[in-house]
Amino acid sequence: SQQGEEDPQALSIQEGENATMNCSYKTSINNLQWYRQNSGRGLVHLILIRSNEREKHSGRLRVTLDTSKKSSSLLITASRAADTASYFCATDSQGAQKLVFGQGTRLTINP
Amino acid sequence: KAGVTQTPRYLIKTRGQQVTLSCSPISGHRSVSWYQQTPGQGLQFLFEYFSETQRNKGNFPGRFSGRQFSNSRSEMNVSTLELGDSALYLCASSLSGPTPYEQYFGPGTRLTVT
Repeated sequence: SQQGEEDPQALSIQEGENATMNCSYKTSINNLQWYRQNSGRGLVHLILIRSNEREKHSGRLRVTLDTSKKSSSLLITASRAADTASYFCATDSQGAQKLVFGQGTRLTINP
Repeated sequence: KAGVTQTPRYLIKTRGQQVTLSCSPISGHRSVSWYQQTPGQGLQFLFEYFSETQRNKGNFPGRFSGRQFSNSRSEMNVSTLELGDSALYLCASSLSGPTPYEQYFGPGTRLTVT
């Protein structure tokens, strides 16, 4: 079963615009991670945010975490065509040494 | 440093056969996790190995098994293949575990069962 659920399932925007994806989860977590996957290839780690952090930045990425609402958001600013990919959140399932992934958001950046 | 490698990249098998997939982690990484990705179920955790020991297992039937060798390389085996086993199988390595450490994913093995 999926711990995280992403919203929206698909997002299409123009190059240069900002993209926001949301992730909700069900149980308490120690940390939440975001990954990117290009067209059926392996995943690439983007950012990890711990449960005691509220916001984290990495380049054009900004991640927020609200543990009271069990939700996280990923913001990509000034989007580029190369950002076209699927984005997944992953949670650590109550501290167990495994990650549980959401269904992902498919992001398309139009030139 | 070399990334995670998976072999083979593509595989076609017939129902009832068995298959073995291989994963070589990044040098120095001791944790290897396996995932199955399908359009319907998404990314699902299969199992995680650390220092040759399985620490966690996902909700998959016993037909799915794995092991890890002393050099941290890992293999997973699926016996008595079913059509529903067609998927992209991904392995990921990390220093000490999938959390709270960054996982490095391989390109995957695409298995087609006919």
